[in-house]
Amino acid sequence: NAGVTQTPKFQVLKTGQSMTLQCAQDMNHEYMSWYRQDPGMGLRLIHYSVGAGITDQGEVPNGYNVSRSTTEDFPLRLLSAAPSQTSVYFCASSSGSKAHNQPQHFGDGTRLSIL
Amino acid sequence: GDSVTQMEGPVTLSEEAFLTINCTYTATGYPSLFWYVQYPGEGLQLLLKATKADDKGSNKGFEATYRKETTSFHLEKGSVQVSDSAVYFCAFNQAGTALIFGKGTTLSVSS
Repeated sequence: NAGVTQTPKFQVLKTGQSMTLQCAQDMNHEYMSWYRQDPGMGLRLIHYSVGAGITDQGEVPNGYNVSRSTTEDFPLRLLSAAPSQTSVYFCASSSGSKAHNQPQHFGDGTRLSIL
Repeated sequence: GDSVTQMEGPVTLSEEAFLTINCTYTATGYPSLFWYVQYPGEGLQLLLKATKADDKGSNKGFEATYRKETTSFHLEKGSVQVSDSAVYFCAFNQAGTALIFGKGTTLSVSS
C-alpha cells in the first residue's frame, strides 16, 4: 500500500531553472493538494484539486503551476525557481472534497533548495 | 479569516510528564478538527480527529476534545515518552477547502 508518493526526495536548483515535483496516490482519492513548509510558518497551501481536470489556487500560488489530468497524479511545476521557493514541499490526498471530516494523507516530502 | 493558533514551542519535558499543547481556531461554521504529528525527516501523519462538538479524539494515549464554546482543541497526554518527540500540528477543514494549519509545536522529551 504505497499511499502518497513524492519524487524526488531532494533537489537542488539554480535560480531561474524550472522543474516538476511529482506526486502520485494509489487510493483513488478525489482531493489532492500541495503545501510548502517553512520554519515557523506551519504548512501553507499552494494549489489544490477536487478532481481530475479541476484545480484552484491556495494561499501562496505565485510561481507555481499545477495540472490534474488523472485522478492519481498531481504534479507541481516551478516555472522559474527563486531562492524564496527553498522549502519542503508536501503533497496530500483525501477522499471526497466535500467530506470535510476525511483526514488527508501526506507524502514524505520533497526538500528543495534554490541557489 | 480562518486560522489556527497553537502554543509556540519548543516544549521540553521529562519522560512520564503530562503534556498539554493548546490549540484554538477561528472558523465559520463547524469544521472538523485534527492533530497531525511529524517525526524528524518524515511527512505528516494523522494523530487524531474530532468532527463535531464535544467529540473526543484519541490515539496512542493522546486525547483532544472538540470544544465549540471555546473554539479549542487542546492536545493532552498523561505520560509522554521519548518516542513522542516530534512536531505537532493542529488543523481544521471545512467542506470544499483544504486544511488550515497552525504553525506547529515542537515537543522534545528527555529520559
